[in-house]
Parts: sequence; structure tokens; C-alpha cells
Amino acid sequence: DADVTQTPRNRITKTGKRIMLECSQTKGHDRMYWYRQDPGLGLRLIYYSFDVKDINKGEISDGYSVSRQAQAKFSLSLESAIPNQTALYFCATSDLGGTGNTGELFFGEGSRLTVL
Amino acid sequence: ELKVEQNPLFLSMQEGKNYTIYCNYSTTSDRLYWYRQDPGKSLESLFVLLSNGAVKQEGRLMASLDTKARLSTLHITAAVHDLSATYFCAVDTGRRALTFGSGTRLQVQP
Repeated sequence: DADVTQTPRNRITKTGKRIMLECSQTKGHDRMYWYRQDPGLGLRLIYYSFDVKDINKGEISDGYSVSRQAQAKFSLSLESAIPNQTALYFCATSDLGGTGNTGELFFGEGSRLTVL
Repeated sequence: ELKVEQNPLFLSMQEGKNYTIYCNYSTTSDRLYWYRQDPGKSLESLFVLLSNGAVKQEGRLMASLDTKARLSTLHITAAVHDLSATYFCAVDTGRRALTFGSGTRLQVQP
């Protein structure tokens, strides 16, 4: 089983619908992230969480919200989806913060969202 | 605001040739990461560079970091088709999360 699991992997929805993307991890990391990938733009940070009570906006948080239900679970919601939110979404975890840790990100397989 | 710029954005090269991908960043940092992404797949960690002068090598790929110049390079030696992928660099400023470059799409032609 993957260490970082995202569901759903693919989703097609309509404008105005509420969508939730879920992420769970078995790596035991405190830090979790949501990134969005668009062609030619690399990955852009939506939200990040350093622990269950510490949630922060990234560079493109407008139109999104998150919930950190537990150390291992971090969900991303689109309250009212719009077509320009069509993208590939990645959840990631990090071991940054601990002595000797590298801070590298470990990614899930991605959730492809299409908003019609 | 941290900016991370990669060049080139697209690279088509022949098997057996050498080339370098550059990653420039705008803010002081001594942590830089390289990732590989195959089409339709997730990102896979290639190298973690944690100090000035760090050099890491894996097979035909070698990465280095010059924190004074705010520059990292990913050097490809004697390219093979299996190296075809998109390569991302990412920088950590210690404040929040990694900031990624736009990626370099590498295509190795037989």
C-alpha cells in the first residue's frame, strides 16, 4: 500500500458543486500539504499544516478550504467548484522539523479533478 | 516572494549526449530538492541538497548546489531514453513549504 493515499484519483464534476479530496498517510509525519499542478506552472501550494492545530494558507488558497482531522488525514474542499479549478492535485507529507530530517516531500499519486 | 526559475523549460536531446538543467532562486536558502515526474504520475524524489557545495550523484544524474549564487544544476551524462521525464527543483526557505520551479521537460531521442 502507498504511504500517502489520495481519494478519489479522478473526479469529474459540474460548476457549483462541492468537492472533497482526501489524503491519508502512514509515514507518521506531522507536516502535510496540498499542491495544485497545472501544465507549465509547476506545483503551487494551496494549504499546509504543521500539526492538527496548525493550518496555514499557501499562495493560492482562495476558493479552497482544508480540514486536518487527525495527524494522518488532511482533506481539501472546493466549496463551489469552478472550471479554472480543473487541475491535478497532490497531497504531500514531510519529515521537516525533526533533528536530522531532510525535509523532502513525499507525494501521493494525485487526484485529477475536472470541473465542467 | 521567493521565485524559482528553471531553464530550459523543454529540452530535446539525443541519446549519449550531456546536458545541464539550471535552477535559480531568489531568496537565501540552503536546502534544495530535485524531483522527477513521469507523465501522469506522481513526483519522485531524486536528490536532497542541504548545504553549500553539496553534490549528489545517482547513475547518469548529478546535482549540485551553490547557495551563494542561488543556483543548483542537474547534470545529465550520456543520456538514455529512460531519463525522459519532467524534472522539478524545489527550494525550502524554512518558512513554510517547498516552492517549485516550473519544471524542465526532458525528451531523449534515440
